[in-house]
Amino acid sequence: EVQLVESGGGLVQPGRSLRLSCTASGFTFGDYAMTWVRQAPGKGLEWVSFIGTKAYGGTAEYAASVKGRFTISRDDSKSIAYLQMNSLKTEDTAVYYCARDWNHSGDYWGQGTLVTVSS
Amino acid sequence: DIQMTQSPSSLSASVGDRVTITCRASQSISSYLNWYQQKPGKAPKPLIYAASTLQSGVPSRFSGSGSGTDFTLTISSLQPEDFATYYCQRSFNTPRTFGQGTKVEI
Repeated sequence: EVQLVESGGGLVQPGRSLRLSCTASGFTFGDYAMTWVRQAPGKGLEWVSFIGTKAYGGTAEYAASVKGRFTISRDDSKSIAYLQMNSLKTEDTAVYYCARDWNHSGDYWGQGTLVTVSS
Repeated sequence: DIQMTQSPSSLSASVGDRVTITCRASQSISSYLNWYQQKPGKAPKPLIYAASTLQSGVPSRFSGSGSGTDFTLTISSLQPEDFATYYCQRSFNTPRTFGQGTKVEI
């Protein structure tokens, strides 16, 4: 059974950093690209970042709102995708979801982890 | 960047109704379009990819169509479990922008 479990969320002050993890099981992690999507309280979905497979160069892409502050990475040996978030802003407050990318679509999603940026 | 615009933002419907949601891209995106369903407090559920292909396990009352800039999601006979918010998303190229969502309520 495919499972994705996000962790690492919490309350953090503006300007600080946080690293989210997405731990995968039930499939060969290295064969799939991974995506992070967030949802601010009461708002819609916002695509955040994408990382390709190592076979295709592990290309990383970012939304303009996080580029230069967030870094996506992956550890295929541990089946984990990461989202390093630096210089956090109050507007980064959201539930962060990771999703497996299949046919350019998120076919499996985690339950999400809440990040609250507040002083 | 390409913008994705859904209409309507919300709609009221009854069980058994045929429901159509529209998604328009600001530039052509070929058939690179996904649809998702989301219920309160839950992760999005994938419904359709490549504009018209149902994800595994999705009931056949859901269908998608369109290409280029105009796309539709149709629910042929609304069921109680279909009351939710629906999102379109540009796929393949980045940024993989989502539409603002369409809330389907009673």
